[in-house]
Amino acid sequence: AQSVSQHNHHVILSEAASLELGCNYSYGGTVNLFWYVQYPGQHLQLLLKYFSGDPLVKGIKGFEAEFIKSKFSFNLRKPSVQWSDTAEYFCAVNYGGSQGNLIFGKGTKLSVKP
Amino acid sequence: DTGVSQNPRHKITKRGQNVTFRCDPISEHNRLYWYRQTLGQGPEFLTYFQNEAQLEKSRLLSDRFSAERPKGSFSTLEIQRTEQGDSAMYLCASSTRTERPIGNTIYFGEGSWLTVV
Repeated sequence: AQSVSQHNHHVILSEAASLELGCNYSYGGTVNLFWYVQYPGQHLQLLLKYFSGDPLVKGIKGFEAEFIKSKFSFNLRKPSVQWSDTAEYFCAVNYGGSQGNLIFGKGTKLSVKP
Repeated sequence: DTGVSQNPRHKITKRGQNVTFRCDPISEHNRLYWYRQTLGQGPEFLTYFQNEAQLEKSRLLSDRFSAERPKGSFSTLEIQRTEQGDSAMYLCASSTRTERPIGNTIYFGEGSWLTVV
């Protein structure tokens, strides 16, 4: 079955620390990959997306993600986190290109200590 | 900026009652999606429309759930004979025609919280 795994349930970092959140998806052919963020009390917002081309994708607020096809991974990174990055982060996969829906991971809660 | 709009934002209902949620997608988005999210979980797909046609339904969408998008614009999600297990956030999302390269960015609303007591 198609699925998305996020390895960390809760990550706690101090400001200026580097961040890497893991995301793996099950094999399913053509995939489009997304990271969404949900700040406290707010709706899901798109951080970045990968459809094709350069596997290193840059998003908003200094986030980037790297698609490694051989590892079925799409890890999210940020060199230096800020307190305002405290939020829940969701990896999502669309199998089959433009058709169908998103399959989400369970999310990783990030807490950044000032 | 007119994003995806949902109402009501919060609904408390007694078990066995019917509830209806409304979603207004981003203007000119022809695809509309419904998801459900419970605490500690990521959103789970329920159903989606392309214009007024309901193209896909998840097995999560039991017979008590029905969604419509009669004119290809707003959509409603009705839950009949609610059960406590229906308590969740119901998310609506929309997207435009396929982007180039082939892909589909989905934009989410703020969600409608349902509590069944």
